[in-house]
Amino acid sequence: NAGVTQTPKFQVLKTGQSMTLQCAQDMNHEYMSWYRQDPGMGLRLIHYSVGAGITDQGEVPNGYNVSRSTTEDFPLRLLSAAPSQTSVYFCASSYGTDNSPLHFGNGTRLTVT
Amino acid sequence: AQKVTQAQTEISVVEKEDVTLDCVYETRDTTYYLFWYKQPPSGELVFLIRRNSFDEQNEISGRYSWNFQKSTSSFNFTITASQVVDSAVYFCALSEEGYSTLTFGKGTMLLVSP
Repeated sequence: NAGVTQTPKFQVLKTGQSMTLQCAQDMNHEYMSWYRQDPGMGLRLIHYSVGAGITDQGEVPNGYNVSRSTTEDFPLRLLSAAPSQTSVYFCASSYGTDNSPLHFGNGTRLTVT
Repeated sequence: AQKVTQAQTEISVVEKEDVTLDCVYETRDTTYYLFWYKQPPSGELVFLIRRNSFDEQNEISGRYSWNFQKSTSSFNFTITASQVVDSAVYFCALSEEGYSTLTFGKGTMLLVSP
């Protein structure tokens, strides 16, 4: 099992550029989510999905879009990158409504200059 | 609204010392779940434990133990006889019943020196 796979591992963008962070899981998990980790801030929820076709906002959704067309994939889109979006991004998944532990990807380190 | 507080930003100990990481939470729910995750220097997030609000029994797993006290809204984590490999950032987190969304504390960085 690959678990939760995030690509790329590192990315540098210029202000105003767009990009998509990819996340895929092979565990047939219904629930998927994106968090960002900033120094001294812990992990904060950006967006989440409880199943294909269903997404919702988390604590810090501004500047990010998501979609969930399949159970396996949950991409995170930055439409116009800003330096404030410099962070480490983690994708996570779990079975869903049973409060099962989240399985995390290895993260994407994004720098916006 | 849910909140998790890890008041200790950084703890430094010498190998073989015992260390306790504090976690205090706030929630209006009667049913909830508490978690601890470890983030070693390599950066990945590793699940350590899940505890539901109806299970106040302390848990021990090797050198790790957890103390859950609803009366003080705390879920503390103790490492006995710490080792250098325990050096990491440790996160406490909270979720409501039926939801996988976690609210994380800001983390405690544990540095264990030889």
